[in-house]
Amino acid sequence: GQSLEQPSEVTAVEGAIVQINCTYQTSGFYGLSWYQQHDGGAPTFLSYNALDGLEETGRFSSFLSRSDSYGYLLLQELQMKDSASYFCAVRVGGTASKLTFGTGTRLQVTL
Amino acid sequence: DAGVTQSPTHLIKTRGQQVTLRCSPKSGHDTVSWYQQALGQGPQFIFQYYEEEERQRGNFPDRFSGHQFPNYSSELNVNALLLGDSALYLCASKGTGDMGEQFFGPGTRLTVL
Repeated sequence: GQSLEQPSEVTAVEGAIVQINCTYQTSGFYGLSWYQQHDGGAPTFLSYNALDGLEETGRFSSFLSRSDSYGYLLLQELQMKDSASYFCAVRVGGTASKLTFGTGTRLQVTL
Repeated sequence: DAGVTQSPTHLIKTRGQQVTLRCSPKSGHDTVSWYQQALGQGPQFIFQYYEEEERQRGNFPDRFSGHQFPNYSSELNVNALLLGDSALYLCASKGTGDMGEQFFGPGTRLTVL
């Protein structure tokens, strides 16, 4: 089976940088995705790492270390609208692309 | 270009009843996955459909079944509803060759009384 661990809650001030870590245990690992979900909304794709290293998309960056079964999401220049839940998800199973999600990290951005 | 759409938005059923949820994938997408999300939890994979076949299944009982139509839209059926089936049911679509990105619909909030 698969298991993922991420912090349950993180609080940061507007304009700051926050890092959300994710460790995973899985077989058949293909990649690590990150999704954002606002209360009452649908998960929205943020990033995907299949190889080791850093992927940058605007204010968001994601990192993967396959040897350490570890990844993180880095959010820079935090804005109030970034307050949401963030999920890491491992992709397993090749073309079937099943996603196994963590329990999520609730980010609260304060003034 | 419409994204993933789901219907209905909300649904209230009683124990033992059956329910059918519907999903239309994003234009150009041929693969549809269904997830169950309980309050405060991450989405849990139910199953995935591709070319009208169930390609992979998560750890859900046979009460959960699905179907994909030639136009790639999909249905999720749940029989003999239990109180524990109350959750947000999410549909996600992807195109052939897409890697980690799946597009989620707004979900159907199912309440079982």
